[in-house]
Amino acid sequence: DAGVIQSPRHEVTEMGQEVTLRCKPISGHNSLFWYRQTMMRGLELLIYFNNNVPIDDSGMPEDRFSAKMPNASFSTLKIQPSEPRDSAVYFCASSLLSTTGELFFGEGSRLTVL
Amino acid sequence: QQQVKQSPQSLIVQKGGISIINCAYENTAFDYFPWYQQFPGKGPALLIAIRPDVSEKKEGRFTISFNKSAKQFSLHIMDSQPGDSATYFCAASLGTGGFKTIFGAGTRLFVKA
Repeated sequence: DAGVIQSPRHEVTEMGQEVTLRCKPISGHNSLFWYRQTMMRGLELLIYFNNNVPIDDSGMPEDRFSAKMPNASFSTLKIQPSEPRDSAVYFCASSLLSTTGELFFGEGSRLTVL
Repeated sequence: QQQVKQSPQSLIVQKGGISIINCAYENTAFDYFPWYQQFPGKGPALLIAIRPDVSEKKEGRFTISFNKSAKQFSLHIMDSQPGDSATYFCAASLGTGGFKTIFGAGTRLFVKA
């Protein structure tokens, strides 16, 4: 079974550039989450979707961040313009609304902004 | 009120010893308390979880103890092995489907051979 698929795995970019991270959730899952992991702040929930609808984006740091889920099998997290403090590992996770609450994480996208 | 506090930050245990990681929460509406294990370069993966109507759950060498009145829960790893060396996160969430799962800061466990 394919798990949550994230791309790119690594991204190095320069300050001011646009960054787009992609996520394909597990087929059949109807909740999708974006987390950011840093040494200083741990795992922070940025936004989550239920049935492709954004439910809570209170964790999105600022207007430079945006997330979309155009369909059940694809989501993007965009940072424009990127800043060095955005350097982190970004994880996408999916789950099934009707079950226990287990999150299935992808392997993450490591972003470095120079 | 949404925080989950985890300690210790790091832990070194001898092979065969017991590893204990503690967490505390504030929001009594949380109804699902999972522990996730993360290896370097990988995403977190569910290890074991408990609901607040149960005081203890055991799966193999891993046990969660849950104290609802104190709003605390802990992970015990019995007979710790070098392969258990990883970062462990406690978490708390509201409702099914992993609604708004809040993670603790993580504990880096190293098991010495």
